[in-house]
Amino acid sequence: EVQLVESGGGLVQPGGSLRLSCSASGFNFSSYAMHWVRQAPGKGLEYVSTITSNGGSTYYADSVKGRFTISRDNSKNILYLQMSSLRAEETAVYYCVKGKYSTSSGGFGPWGQGTLVTVSS
Amino acid sequence: DIQLTQSPSSLSASVGDRVTITCQASQDITSHLNWYQHKPGKVPELLIYDVSTLQTGVPARFTATGSGTHFTLSISSLQPDDSATYYCQQFHNIPNFGGGTKVE
Repeated sequence: EVQLVESGGGLVQPGGSLRLSCSASGFNFSSYAMHWVRQAPGKGLEYVSTITSNGGSTYYADSVKGRFTISRDNSKNILYLQMSSLRAEETAVYYCVKGKYSTSSGGFGPWGQGTLVTVSS
Repeated sequence: DIQLTQSPSSLSASVGDRVTITCQASQDITSHLNWYQHKPGKVPELLIYDVSTLQTGVPARFTATGSGTHFTLSISSLQPDDSATYYCQQFHNIPNFGGGTKVE
């Protein structure tokens, strides 16, 4: 069974940094692209970032480009999202999501339970 | 950037009704479209991928069609368990999601 467990969320001040982690199990982690998707309170789903299976390619939403960095450690089955210069409007539940293929294409799923990031002074 | 416009934003229907949700893309995305179901208190789930392929375990009352810029998701006989917000998502370019359709 695929399991994705996010951690690292919490309260951070505007302009601050935070690193999210996602520990994966139940599948061959190094064979699949991985994604981050977020959902602000009362809002819809917002795509954040993708990393291909071997980490060779990364993709970002325009809203986070230059401030967020996605990475992965295939030896430890862990996905990361380093976030900096955080803004209040980025308060959201951040989901770690398994890709359908090794590349950025295809469906997103399964999803982790999410970790809440609150950006507030 | 590719914009995805879903309509309606919400709908209320009765058990057994047929409901249809539309997703309009701002440019041609060929067949690079998925649908997700997000129930209250749960995590989102992939419902349909590549326009019309049902994810394993999804009931056959869900169908989806489309190509290019116009896509639809239909539920042939609405069940109480189908109450959720439905999102379309494109992966033709940098992925993004539609605004969602809440089905009650």
